[in-house]
Amino acid sequence: AQKVTQAQTEISVVEKEDVTLDCVYETRDTTYYLFWYKQPPSGELVFLIRRNSFDEQNEISGRYSWNFQKSTSSFNFTITASQVVDSAVYFCALSSGGYQKVTFGTGTKLQVIP
Amino acid sequence: EPEVTQTPSHQVTQMGQEVILRCVPISNHLYFYWYRQILGQKVEFLVSFYNNEISEKSEIFDDQFSVERPDGSNFTLKIRSTKLEDSAMYFCASSTPTVTEAFFGQGTRLTVV
Repeated sequence: AQKVTQAQTEISVVEKEDVTLDCVYETRDTTYYLFWYKQPPSGELVFLIRRNSFDEQNEISGRYSWNFQKSTSSFNFTITASQVVDSAVYFCALSSGGYQKVTFGTGTKLQVIP
Repeated sequence: EPEVTQTPSHQVTQMGQEVILRCVPISNHLYFYWYRQILGQKVEFLVSFYNNEISEKSEIFDDQFSVERPDGSNFTLKIRSTKLEDSAMYFCASSTPTVTEAFFGQGTRLTVV
């Protein structure tokens, strides 16, 4: 069985602060993929990143960075110098198995206050 | 850039009515999925579809739900007799033959009144 835990339900930060969103996952599969999605108030799911289980290199994309640690089954997401436009719900997700269904965490609602 | 398209973006229906949600997956994709997100909750897997049959379904996907790929391009989710608790955002997704990533549509917001 797959499980994704996002312990932080809601986070508020002041603009320009850095913020880290935590994600812990469980799977018995050795090959799997991890994702982060952003869901703005309009409701669509915006893909941010995919990581496969064999690639533990951290990744940086502009103000976004991701820290994948297999030893702790974590895939944390950091936003540097947060902006009001970053306000959204962020979902961590996992897929594995033959048909690659995606299991989502419960989401972290990020509010960036100007 | 190819994308998954869902129609309509918002549908309001009366309790007990049948509703069909439509999706056009990315053209070379072979795996298709429906997910549901009740307002304020997480996105939940409903069903996966491959080779014209259901490959996996969740407990949520009971007899009132069905999926179909009627014409080789559309992928539909039918809810036979809608209930108030079916109100949710429904996401369609499709993935490549190598099945490494699912691409999500923008969602259909279903409101049952």
